[in-house]
Amino acid sequence: EIVLTQSPGTLSLSPGERASLACRASQSVSNNYLAWYRQKPGQAPRLLIYGASNRAAGIPDRFSGSGSGTDFTLTISRLEPEDFAVYYCQQYGSSPYTFGQGTKLEIK
Amino acid sequence: EVHLVESGGGLVQPGGSLRLSCAASGFTFSNYGMNWVRQAPGKGLEWVSYISSSSSTMYYADSVKGRFTISRDNAKNSLYLQMNSLRAEDTAVYYCAQRFAYWGQGTLVTVSS
Repeated sequence: EIVLTQSPGTLSLSPGERASLACRASQSVSNNYLAWYRQKPGQAPRLLIYGASNRAAGIPDRFSGSGSGTDFTLTISRLEPEDFAVYYCQQYGSSPYTFGQGTKLEIK
Repeated sequence: EVHLVESGGGLVQPGGSLRLSCAASGFTFSNYGMNWVRQAPGKGLEWVSYISSSSSTMYYADSVKGRFTISRDNAKNSLYLQMNSLRAEDTAVYYCAQRFAYWGQGTLVTVSS
């Protein structure tokens, strides 16, 4: 089983700032099948990035994903109020399709 | 527009059974693999199970293997999760997801005496 470790656990920033969220895998993610999700309280997760660097439909270009192998990053270039939420990475290259424990992005 | 609606959640005693359903619309259901993902109260996401478009391939998390069964009916555009031998730690909101691009709003399963 691939274990995903996200860092930091909590990130405190202000609107307009840049955010970088990390996801490290315990072994190489097959085909870089790494996704990022944003989850707001009381809502289902929303897919942001798939295949490590591809934006999902309707996702603004302030979201970008990078990385390969075992190290991946989600970058939000300019934080909007709706971006303050919990973010999860997930690998879907090999079963079981594991999630990271999440990074909470909070308003400073 | 893709629409996924889960149903079948509720309160069940430990050791009991429950069958979840997910009604799909807005896309050609028979062309897509489907997943169940759960989230315990206040916790993170946990993938539960996957089924391929033709039901030829199914995967399960170790935590549910042997107790849960995923299935689908392409004629009814529906996905199912049969949950047996339920435990307190199975308490969660259960989401169905089209691959992982689209998600339903979830159904709450509570396992408690």
